[in-house]
Amino acid sequence: QVQLVQSGAEMKKPGASVKVSCKSSGYTFNSYTMHWVRQVPGQTLEWMGWLNGGTGNTKYSQKYQDRVTITQDTSASTAYMELSRLRSDDTAVYYCGRGYSAFDPKIDLWGQGTLVTVSS
Amino acid sequence: QSVVTQPPSASGTFGQRVTISCSGSRSNIGRNFVNWYQQLPGTAPKLLIHGNNQRPAGVPDRFSGSKSGTSASLAISGLRSEDEAEYYCAVWDDSLSGRVVFGGGTTVSVL
Repeated sequence: QVQLVQSGAEMKKPGASVKVSCKSSGYTFNSYTMHWVRQVPGQTLEWMGWLNGGTGNTKYSQKYQDRVTITQDTSASTAYMELSRLRSDDTAVYYCGRGYSAFDPKIDLWGQGTLVTVSS
Repeated sequence: QSVVTQPPSASGTFGQRVTISCSGSRSNIGRNFVNWYQQLPGTAPKLLIHGNNQRPAGVPDRFSGSKSGTSASLAISGLRSEDEAEYYCAVWDDSLSGRVVFGGGTTVSVL
């Protein structure tokens, strides 16, 4: 079955880091890019960055590039998104999504989302 | 405020046609492919249209996309109750070292 399964909800304190995993199955992991998109409750989608599964190259949104790191473990067909120096306004649902091209947000397969709550 | 602009809401009666616009600029819609997503409450987005006007397998042909210049549109014909959802356009933007930008989203209601 072709799917992306993300890790469970997280509760973090301000200043901490969070690492969300995204395990793929049913397709060749390193033939695609993996996007990370977040959604603050009630707001629009916001792109954070992507990772090229074949090369391991990454591209980050300027807004997050000093706080986000996207990595992969190809042996486990899993991508990771780590966000550091968390603030309360980082409370959001974080999604991973399978993409095809570095410069085209055609994301045809999405994870179920991971709620990250940042609160003291 | 989103770089690409959508109306916050759109509505129609059962069976009608509804059109959602997505307005951008030369750095995004003007030179790159537009994609459209449907998001039902509490679920992940679903790809509806890619490459400006291509439907993935399984998406009904009631959904169609178009692009002209720096604007794009999503049309839903034969509106059904299950079409009530949030719709987002998404496109690569060449500014700020390159990034994906999403529209602010349009809530479609079936009256």
